[in-house]
Amino acid sequence: DAGITQSPRHKVTETGTPVTLRCHQTENHRYMYWYRQDPGHGLRLIHYSYGVKDTDKGEVSDGYSVSRSKTEDFLLTLESATSSQTSVYFCAISEGMVGDTQYFGPGTRLTVL
Amino acid sequence: GENVEQHPSTLSVQEGDSAVIKCTYSDSASNYFPWYKQELGKRPQLIIDIRSNVGEKKDQRIAVTLNKTAKHFSLHITETQPEDSAVYFCAASTAGGSNYKLTFGKGTLLTVNP
Repeated sequence: DAGITQSPRHKVTETGTPVTLRCHQTENHRYMYWYRQDPGHGLRLIHYSYGVKDTDKGEVSDGYSVSRSKTEDFLLTLESATSSQTSVYFCAISEGMVGDTQYFGPGTRLTVL
Repeated sequence: GENVEQHPSTLSVQEGDSAVIKCTYSDSASNYFPWYKQELGKRPQLIIDIRSNVGEKKDQRIAVTLNKTAKHFSLHITETQPEDSAVYFCAASTAGGSNYKLTFGKGTLLTVNP
């Protein structure tokens, strides 16, 4: 597996609380992505980054924000978690050229009660 | 934006049979089509990919075909084994400048019965 870690791996939180998920890579890849995975929906892109401080929205970005202050770290923040954000969150990295593989992290299972 | 449709959503085969999963895409500018395999509780992992200048690609028991005119591509697994049981995702890339993204299909749960 590519050098990607996610933390925490599991988290249970309550509605209305802020949550930050971290993705860390050791591959020096330019692109980083956050996806959520829900039954029947596959992998849906939340936000992605194409460089330090350069980010853009994906198809399901409402309720999420991201930051990338260093090449190796990409943070996903839920400002006020809701039950609909209960999901498995995957980070992915890519060198960013067409035809480059996206490598996925191990995932974070988030439960919002 | 790009839209990727994947069929079937579930597929059950007997060990040794072949399995075929089909995807269609909407953006004629898409030019990279990877397939990922995800075992239960694990991360998605690339198993094969194809670029738009190639019609077919094989890797042992796995092959992918691409029809650009019809905008569809397929995954073929021959001589299936129980360890092939997993969820398979197709994807298509939209790229340009700083905008490199994959759009995924909803996945196919493949079950190989011994």
